[in-house]
Amino acid sequence: EVQLVESGGGSVQPGGSLRLSCAASGFTFRSSRMNWVRQAPGKGLEWVSYISSNTDTVDYADSVKGRFTISRDNGKNSLYLQMNSLRAEDTAVYYCAREATYHYYMDVWGKGTTVTVSS
Amino acid sequence: EIVLMQSPGTLSLSPGERATLSCRASQSVSSNYLAWYQQKPGQAPRLLIYGASSRATGIPDRFSGSGSGTDFTLTISRLEPEDFAVYYCQLYGSSPTYTFGQGTKLEIK
Repeated sequence: EVQLVESGGGSVQPGGSLRLSCAASGFTFRSSRMNWVRQAPGKGLEWVSYISSNTDTVDYADSVKGRFTISRDNGKNSLYLQMNSLRAEDTAVYYCAREATYHYYMDVWGKGTTVTVSS
Repeated sequence: EIVLMQSPGTLSLSPGERATLSCRASQSVSSNYLAWYQQKPGQAPRLLIYGASSRATGIPDRFSGSGSGTDFTLTISRLEPEDFAVYYCQLYGSSPTYTFGQGTKLEIK
């Protein structure tokens, strides 16, 4: 079964850090381009970050640029999001999502992990 | 940066009716890069349509997508109770890599 499972969410104070993980199974992770997408409470979807299959290309939303770092370990079938200098507006459910091979949409999503930034 | 505007913000219809949801881009885009997702409360988004008009695997044929240039439409021909949800359009670009519309909530009238 094709599956993505996020972990690492939790509560943190403003200015703190968290590292999210996404474990992939059921498909060839090393060949897949991956993304993080978030959703603040009661709000719409916001794309956060992208990483190519071999890590040579990464991209970030302006709202997280310079604070978040996306990475992956193809040997462990895992995707990561290091989040530093967290702000209240980073509070959201964070989803990892696979980009369809040779296409431009996300065809597999995890269930999400919740990040709460509050003092 | 291309902006996607979805309308209406909320659409109130009854089961059996036809739903038409709009997604307008701030400049002309390739149809290949336009997708639609459905999201129900407490769930992850689900891919419905890609390449503006191709249905994803397992998506019922009452869902259809159309459009080109700046104007795209998601149509649900006859609403089933399980179709009431929030719908997002999404665009692939150079940077940012992806952009989402703000969503249309389809609610039961």
